[in-house]
Amino acid sequence: ETGVTQSPTHLIKTRGQQVTLRCSSQSGHNTVSWYQQALGQGPQFIFQYYREEENGRGNFPPRFSGLQFPNYSSELNVNALELDDSALYLCASSAGTVGEKLFFGSGTQLSVL
Amino acid sequence: GQSLEQPSEVTAVEGAIVQINCTYQTSGFYGLSWYQQHDGGAPTFLSYNALDGLEETGRFSSFLSRSDSYGYLLLQELQMKDSASYFCAVRQQTGANNLFFGTGTRLTVIP
Repeated sequence: ETGVTQSPTHLIKTRGQQVTLRCSSQSGHNTVSWYQQALGQGPQFIFQYYREEENGRGNFPPRFSGLQFPNYSSELNVNALELDDSALYLCASSAGTVGEKLFFGSGTQLSVL
Repeated sequence: GQSLEQPSEVTAVEGAIVQINCTYQTSGFYGLSWYQQHDGGAPTFLSYNALDGLEETGRFSSFLSRSDSYGYLLLQELQMKDSASYFCAVRQQTGANNLFFGTGTRLTVIP
């Protein structure tokens, strides 16, 4: 059983650029959620994807968008990067949309300069 | 507004018992979860309470009182490897894994 994998592990971008982060969900999981974790804070829910559709979104602007593919892997896209977007981006998969147990990847550390 | 309050730091001795409290105020409530995160690592699921009472999983137990909007995580027989950050998280809506996390409690276990 493979766990949740994310790529890249680290990324440096400049303000105004666009970034795409990738996530492979755990085997057998059909739901993927994305979270943003600022230093010293808890993760903040960005959105969730189920059956290739967004089915829940947190308080993030539209420049944060995502995709889920038929194999349940997912992408997080952020346009027009801002300095405050610097954070750890975590992907979590679950077996179903209301799985009590989320399985997190180790995240992508994004730095915006 | 929404809020989750946890102590920011706790220090305990190896072999002892420690309790990490969490009080919440959220617009919706569908259960309280606890996650552990080591520095540089992924958050890992520890426990989930949907109903009032105590849930036990090995050395870890979690308690919920919905009437008091309060829960706690109890760690017994502390080990050095338990040094990590612990987050309580509330599921705010049905139909989605929209978890609202607290700011975390950094537990340091000393010999």
